[in-house]
Amino acid sequence: NAGVTQTPKFQVLKTGQSMTLQCAQDMNHEYMSWYRQDPGMGLRLIHYSVGAGITDQGEVPNGYNVSRSTTEDFPLRLLSAAPSQTSVYFCASSQGLAWNDGELFFGEGSRLTVL
Amino acid sequence: LAKTTQPISMDSYEGQEVNITCSHNNIATNDYITWYQQFPSQGPRFIIQGYKTKVTNEVASLFIPADRKSSTLSLPRVSLSDTAVYYCLVGKAAGNKLTFGGGTRVLVKP
Repeated sequence: NAGVTQTPKFQVLKTGQSMTLQCAQDMNHEYMSWYRQDPGMGLRLIHYSVGAGITDQGEVPNGYNVSRSTTEDFPLRLLSAAPSQTSVYFCASSQGLAWNDGELFFGEGSRLTVL
Repeated sequence: LAKTTQPISMDSYEGQEVNITCSHNNIATNDYITWYQQFPSQGPRFIIQGYKTKVTNEVASLFIPADRKSSTLSLPRVSLSDTAVYYCLVGKAAGNKLTFGGGTRVLVKP
């Protein structure tokens, strides 16, 4: 059972560099999302998707782009990394679109440091 | 999405019952209440979800009063391994902005 797989687990970038955090799920889930978690803080929603071809902004979308070309994949792109984007990034998925469809499944996280 | 308020932290001892209350005064008719647990360096993990009254599973119980403006997560007989951050989420399908609050940091002492 792979569940939600995030790569890479660790990444160090220099200011201005770009990169993509990968997220894949093998549960045929419709809903996928990206969160960031700063040290000692809660999770903040960056972007989410309710299905292939559909994405929307969360609480803190600036500096990040997403796309959802397939049900399985939901990559997060940083176009020009800034030190303020140093954080742990979590990808999550859910089977359905209704709250009572149950739980969010989270990946193990990707720790990003921007120097 | 209904804003939630939880205590920042709580201490307990092994074998005790821990109750964490979450306030959500603006909860809407279609909103469900969900609790997650997060250990350091891991993603959150679903604990329990409910709409009204009481829900119980093998891990916890969730108590929701009739007005649904608050909810209480109850962890029976905690152990050291229950030390974690617990998040209360309230929301509905429309928009699907599943946002987390600050969570409650629970420390279980021996």
